[in-house]
Amino acid sequence: GENVEQHPSTLSVQEGDSAVIKCTYSDSASNYFPWYKQELGKGPQLIIDIRSNVGEKKDQRIAVTLNKTAKHFSLHITETQPEDSAVYFCAAPRMDSSYKLIFGSGTRLLVRP
Amino acid sequence: NAGVTQTPKFQVLKTGQSMTLQCAQDMNHNSMYWYRQDPGMGLRLIYYSASEGTTDKGEVPNGYNVSRLNKREFSLRLESAAPSQTSVYFCASSEFGDGNEQFFGPGTRLTVL
Repeated sequence: GENVEQHPSTLSVQEGDSAVIKCTYSDSASNYFPWYKQELGKGPQLIIDIRSNVGEKKDQRIAVTLNKTAKHFSLHITETQPEDSAVYFCAAPRMDSSYKLIFGSGTRLLVRP
Repeated sequence: NAGVTQTPKFQVLKTGQSMTLQCAQDMNHNSMYWYRQDPGMGLRLIYYSASEGTTDKGEVPNGYNVSRLNKREFSLRLESAAPSQTSVYFCASSEFGDGNEQFFGPGTRLTVL
């Protein structure tokens, strides 16, 4: 079945620096890769996603890159701000059912002022 | 719009007790999901409902039952709670399953003693 591995588990950066979180997936047929942000005490919220027909997608300070050959995708946050501090999850669908998202174990990002 | 609402926010049960977690969405979404979140393990799908009238098992369905009461509501029932079911439970919904954004509720923190 699909497996999603996420690294690092924790990441601490200085405000203004960049942060990169990487995920690898096992099912080469996976075609949709969302990233969710979870603030303390809240449910996860989608921040960006990418489909397998593109290699990169940007939205202001956030970007996601996809390497289908290596089966990994990464979240890039530039010019980090304290409000970026949160837990970030990547996910990929199980191909036996596109309704089933398999989530990575999460990355706790801390942006130091 | 309230989005996805969940009740209760917190619950403490004794081993063997039963309870139902309620979830409702007001976005006219077809698909609904129940996840559990445990430290270091990300989100794991318990059950999902692709559309009104259908339910299917996710990764960790044992010990749970669900009911898609109507298009808006999707409940999760623990018939005989066990300490291993101590977790934070999230309900989510999406317009459809295939590569659609999932909107999460605020979660229910359940402790089973």
